[in-house]
Amino acid sequence: GENVEQHPSTLSVQEGDSAVIKCTYSDSASNYFPWYKQELGKRPQLIIDIRSNVGEKKDQRIAVTLNKTAKHFSLHITETQPEDSAVYFCAASSWGKFQFGAGTQVVVTP
Amino acid sequence: NAGVMQNPRHLVRRRGQEARLRCSPMKGHSHVYWYRQLPEEGLKFMVYLQKENIIDESGMPKERFSAEFPKEGPSILRIQQVVRGDSAAYFCASSPNRVNQETQYFGPGTRLLVL
Repeated sequence: GENVEQHPSTLSVQEGDSAVIKCTYSDSASNYFPWYKQELGKRPQLIIDIRSNVGEKKDQRIAVTLNKTAKHFSLHITETQPEDSAVYFCAASSWGKFQFGAGTQVVVTP
Repeated sequence: NAGVMQNPRHLVRRRGQEARLRCSPMKGHSHVYWYRQLPEEGLKFMVYLQKENIIDESGMPKERFSAEFPKEGPSILRIQQVVRGDSAAYFCASSPNRVNQETQYFGPGTRLLVL
């Protein structure tokens, strides 16, 4: 089955700096890669996703890159703000079955 | 357009009791997924259902846990004879169509506490 590894587990960044979270997956059949943001006590919310036929996607301060050959994908947050503080989860999906990474706790300090 | 609904939001049970968690998918969504999240951990897939069918239950414990998604009404995750280790947040998510890789939208979760 699919196995998704996510690094780092915690990330502390200064406000205004960039944050990068990396994930690797094992199942070459995975074809959809969403990223979710979860604030304390709240539901996971989709922030960006990428499909296997695309190498990069950007939405304002958030971007995701995908390297299918190496089986890894990354989330990039630029110009971080305190409200970006949360736990971020990557996921890899093959035919709708999501396998989530363990999450990255991002703390943005003013 | 209401999002994914779950109830109750919080549920307290004593060991040995039954817990029933309900999930109403977004309007137009026919696929429901259940996940379990332990404190400070990730989301673990439990079961995937379509109306009246269990498609994939590979993540669900073989004993005490069951799920259904009837033709009418919400999806139900049922935990019989709960134990303290069942304490967790249980999230359901829904999507309109699995084949087209549609994303999953999460409900607010049910936080189960077993005393």
